[in-house]
Amino acid sequence: GAGVSQSPSNKVTEKGKDVELRCDPISGHTALYWYRQSLGQGLEFLIYFQGNSAPDKSGLPSDRFSAERTGGSVSTLTIQRTQQEDSAVYLCASSPSPSYNSPLHFGNGTRLTVT
Amino acid sequence: DAKTTQPNSMESNEEEPVHLPCNHSTISGTDYIHWYRQLPSQGPEYVIHGLTSNVNNRMASLAIAEDRKSSTLILHRATLRDAAVYYCILRDMNYGGATNKLIFGTGTLLAVQP
Repeated sequence: GAGVSQSPSNKVTEKGKDVELRCDPISGHTALYWYRQSLGQGLEFLIYFQGNSAPDKSGLPSDRFSAERTGGSVSTLTIQRTQQEDSAVYLCASSPSPSYNSPLHFGNGTRLTVT
Repeated sequence: DAKTTQPNSMESNEEEPVHLPCNHSTISGTDYIHWYRQLPSQGPEYVIHGLTSNVNNRMASLAIAEDRKSSTLILHRATLRDAAVYYCILRDMNYGGATNKLIFGTGTLLAVQP
Protein backbone atom coordinates (compact mmCIF):
# COMPACT_ATOMS: atom_id res chain seq x y z
CA GLY A 1 0.00 0.00 0.00
CA ALA A 2 0.93 3.66 -0.13
CA GLY A 3 3.45 4.82 2.38
CA VAL A 4 4.07 8.25 3.90
CA SER A 5 4.43 10.82 1.17
CA GLN A 6 6.33 14.09 1.56
CA SER A 7 6.52 17.01 -0.81
CA PRO A 8 8.49 18.59 -2.21
CA SER A 9 11.37 16.14 -2.14
CA ASN A 10 13.82 19.02 -2.53
CA LYS A 11 13.43 22.71 -1.79
CA VAL A 12 15.95 25.47 -2.28
CA THR A 13 15.03 28.83 -0.83
CA GLU A 14 16.66 32.14 -0.11
CA LYS A 15 17.40 33.24 3.42
CA GLY A 16 14.47 35.15 4.86
CA LYS A 17 11.76 33.46 2.77
CA ASP A 18 8.99 31.30 4.21
CA VAL A 19 8.63 27.63 3.25
CA GLU A 20 5.90 25.03 3.64
CA LEU A 21 6.61 21.32 3.79
CA ARG A 22 3.82 18.81 3.33
CA CYS A 23 3.28 15.33 4.76
CA ASP A 24 0.61 12.85 3.67
CA PRO A 25 0.50 10.09 6.28
CA ILE A 26 -0.71 6.56 5.77
CA SER A 27 -4.49 6.51 5.73
CA GLY A 28 -5.97 5.82 9.15
CA HIS A 29 -2.81 6.63 11.10
CA THR A 30 -3.73 8.94 13.96
CA ALA A 31 -0.22 9.70 15.19
CA LEU A 32 2.06 11.93 13.13
CA TYR A 33 5.61 13.05 13.92
CA TRP A 34 8.00 15.56 12.37
CA TYR A 35 11.76 15.17 12.68
CA ARG A 36 14.72 16.89 11.08
CA GLN A 37 18.14 15.55 10.27
CA SER A 38 21.05 17.87 9.66
CA LEU A 39 23.94 16.68 7.51
CA GLY A 40 25.69 13.74 9.18
CA GLN A 41 23.59 14.05 12.32
CA GLY A 42 20.95 11.97 14.03
CA LEU A 43 17.24 12.64 13.90
CA GLU A 44 15.92 15.51 16.01
CA PHE A 45 12.27 15.39 17.13
CA LEU A 46 10.22 18.49 16.30
CA ILE A 47 6.51 17.94 16.96
CA TYR A 48 3.92 15.21 17.51
CA PHE A 49 0.25 15.19 16.46
CA GLN A 50 -2.49 12.94 17.75
CA GLY A 51 -5.38 13.57 15.41
CA ASN A 52 -5.45 17.30 14.76
CA SER A 53 -3.98 18.36 18.08
CA ALA A 54 -0.31 18.69 18.95
CA PRO A 55 0.25 17.64 22.56
CA ASP A 56 4.03 17.75 22.16
CA LYS A 57 5.69 20.68 20.45
CA SER A 58 8.78 20.50 22.60
CA GLY A 59 11.21 20.03 19.73
CA LEU A 60 10.34 23.10 17.67
CA PRO A 61 13.59 25.10 17.74
CA SER A 62 12.06 28.59 17.59
CA ASP A 63 8.82 30.46 17.04
CA ARG A 64 9.67 30.62 13.33
CA PHE A 65 8.61 26.97 13.17
CA SER A 66 4.96 25.95 13.23
CA ALA A 67 2.90 22.99 12.09
CA GLU A 68 -0.69 22.09 11.64
CA ARG A 69 -2.69 19.02 10.78
CA THR A 70 -6.14 19.10 9.26
CA GLY A 71 -8.80 16.41 9.02
CA GLY A 72 -6.60 14.07 10.99
CA SER A 73 -4.59 13.56 7.84
CA VAL A 74 -2.31 15.96 5.96
CA SER A 75 0.21 17.96 7.95
CA THR A 76 2.13 21.07 6.98
CA LEU A 77 5.34 22.27 8.61
CA THR A 78 5.98 25.97 8.06
CA ILE A 79 9.29 27.72 8.58
CA GLN A 80 9.15 31.51 8.50
CA ARG A 81 12.07 33.78 7.69
CA THR A 82 14.34 30.84 6.94
CA GLN A 83 17.94 30.88 8.11
CA GLN A 84 20.91 28.91 6.81
CA GLU A 85 20.93 26.75 9.94
CA ASP A 86 17.46 25.52 8.95
CA SER A 87 19.05 23.56 6.09
CA ALA A 88 18.34 19.89 6.78
CA VAL A 89 16.23 16.93 5.73
CA TYR A 90 12.77 17.19 7.28
CA LEU A 91 11.21 13.78 7.89
CA CYS A 92 7.61 12.95 8.63
CA ALA A 93 6.40 9.70 10.18
CA SER A 94 2.98 8.29 10.95
CA SER A 95 1.78 5.48 13.16
CA PRO A 96 -1.59 3.80 13.79
CA SER A 97 -1.37 5.03 17.40
CA PRO A 98 1.26 6.40 19.78
CA SER A 99 1.47 3.02 21.48
CA TYR A 100 4.90 1.52 22.09
CA ASN A 101 3.68 -1.35 19.92
CA SER A 102 2.98 0.79 16.86
CA PRO A 103 6.03 1.24 14.64
CA LEU A 104 6.62 4.59 12.98
CA HIS A 105 6.48 4.66 9.19
CA PHE A 106 8.74 7.34 7.75
CA GLY A 107 8.62 9.19 4.49
CA ASN A 108 11.80 9.89 2.53
CA GLY A 109 11.89 13.48 3.64
CA THR A 110 12.16 16.96 2.17
CA ARG A 111 15.71 18.22 1.71
CA LEU A 112 15.67 21.94 2.49
CA THR A 113 18.57 24.11 1.42
CA VAL A 114 18.64 27.75 2.50
CA THR A 115 21.04 29.89 0.48
CA ASP B 1 14.74 9.21 29.08
CA ALA B 2 16.93 6.12 29.33
CA LYS B 3 19.82 6.24 26.87
CA THR B 4 21.42 3.66 24.62
CA THR B 5 25.05 3.24 23.61
CA GLN B 6 26.09 1.76 20.28
CA PRO B 7 29.40 1.49 18.42
CA ASN B 8 29.82 4.21 15.84
CA SER B 9 30.55 1.79 13.02
CA MET B 10 30.92 -1.88 12.14
CA GLU B 11 31.92 -3.86 9.08
CA SER B 12 30.66 -7.16 7.78
CA ASN B 13 31.12 -9.38 4.78
CA GLU B 14 28.26 -10.25 2.51
CA GLU B 15 26.39 -13.46 3.38
CA GLU B 16 27.89 -13.57 6.88
CA PRO B 17 25.94 -12.99 10.12
CA VAL B 18 26.14 -9.58 11.77
CA HIS B 19 25.70 -8.89 15.48
CA LEU B 20 24.96 -5.26 16.30
CA PRO B 21 25.28 -4.54 20.04
CA CYS B 22 23.42 -1.99 22.13
CA ASN B 23 23.92 -1.12 25.79
CA HIS B 24 21.07 0.33 27.85
CA SER B 25 22.15 -0.02 31.45
CA THR B 26 19.53 2.43 32.79
CA ILE B 27 16.58 0.73 31.10
CA SER B 28 13.36 0.76 33.12
CA GLY B 29 10.97 -2.13 33.52
CA THR B 30 8.46 -0.54 31.15
CA ASP B 31 10.90 0.23 28.33
CA TYR B 32 10.64 -1.73 25.11
CA ILE B 33 13.76 -2.07 22.97
CA HIS B 34 13.19 -0.96 19.39
CA TRP B 35 15.49 -1.11 16.37
CA TYR B 36 15.20 1.01 13.27
CA ARG B 37 17.56 1.33 10.34
CA GLN B 38 18.14 4.11 7.83
CA LEU B 39 19.34 3.29 4.35
CA PRO B 40 21.16 6.04 2.42
CA SER B 41 18.87 8.87 1.30
CA GLN B 42 15.79 7.30 2.91
CA GLY B 43 13.80 7.74 6.06
CA PRO B 44 14.28 5.24 8.88
CA GLU B 45 12.41 1.94 8.74
CA TYR B 46 11.25 -0.24 11.60
CA VAL B 47 13.19 -3.47 12.09
CA ILE B 48 12.09 -5.19 15.29
CA HIS B 49 11.19 -4.63 18.95
CA GLY B 50 11.01 -6.65 22.15
CA LEU B 51 10.69 -6.50 25.94
CA THR B 52 12.33 -9.52 27.55
CA SER B 53 12.19 -12.53 25.28
CA ASN B 54 14.20 -12.95 22.11
CA VAL B 55 12.25 -11.98 19.01
CA ASN B 56 12.45 -13.06 15.39
CA ASN B 57 10.91 -11.64 12.24
CA ARG B 58 11.61 -11.77 8.53
CA MET B 59 14.21 -9.02 8.76
CA ALA B 60 16.23 -9.89 11.85
CA SER B 61 16.43 -11.39 15.32
CA LEU B 62 16.66 -9.52 18.61
CA ALA B 63 18.53 -11.10 21.48
CA ILE B 64 17.91 -9.46 24.87
CA ALA B 65 20.17 -10.06 27.85
CA GLU B 66 18.58 -11.59 30.92
CA ASP B 67 19.13 -8.38 32.95
CA ARG B 68 17.89 -6.32 29.96
CA LYS B 69 20.88 -4.01 30.17
CA SER B 70 22.00 -4.91 26.68
CA SER B 71 20.65 -6.33 23.46
CA THR B 72 21.92 -7.50 20.10
CA LEU B 73 20.35 -7.15 16.69
CA ILE B 74 21.25 -10.14 14.53
CA LEU B 75 21.18 -10.09 10.75
CA HIS B 76 21.56 -13.72 9.80
CA ARG B 77 23.06 -13.24 6.33
CA ALA B 78 24.12 -9.71 5.51
CA THR B 79 23.48 -8.42 2.02
CA LEU B 80 24.73 -5.25 0.39
CA ARG B 81 21.25 -3.83 0.88
CA ASP B 82 21.70 -4.09 4.66
CA ALA B 83 24.32 -1.32 4.63
CA ALA B 84 22.66 1.35 6.75
CA VAL B 85 22.69 3.18 10.07
CA TYR B 86 21.08 1.02 12.76
CA TYR B 87 19.40 2.74 15.71
CA CYS B 88 18.64 1.10 19.05
CA ILE B 89 15.89 3.05 20.88
CA LEU B 90 14.02 2.60 24.14
CA ARG B 91 10.28 3.25 24.09
CA ASP B 92 8.20 3.37 27.27
CA MET B 93 4.97 1.41 27.28
CA ASN B 94 3.58 3.86 29.84
CA TYR B 95 3.74 7.05 27.83
CA GLY B 96 0.85 8.70 29.61
CA GLY B 97 -1.03 9.44 26.43
CA ALA B 98 0.76 12.68 25.69
CA THR B 99 3.44 11.50 23.35
CA ASN B 100 5.62 8.51 22.76
CA LYS B 101 8.17 9.91 20.38
CA LEU B 102 11.26 7.99 19.41
CA ILE B 103 14.50 9.59 20.54
CA PHE B 104 17.24 8.72 18.08
CA GLY B 105 20.90 8.54 19.01
CA THR B 106 23.71 8.45 16.45
CA GLY B 107 23.37 4.71 15.75
CA THR B 108 25.82 2.25 14.21
CA LEU B 109 26.89 2.66 10.60
CA LEU B 110 27.09 -0.84 9.13
CA ALA B 111 29.27 -1.34 6.06
CA VAL B 112 28.85 -4.58 4.11
CA GLN B 113 31.71 -5.72 1.92
CA PRO B 114 31.05 -7.90 -1.13
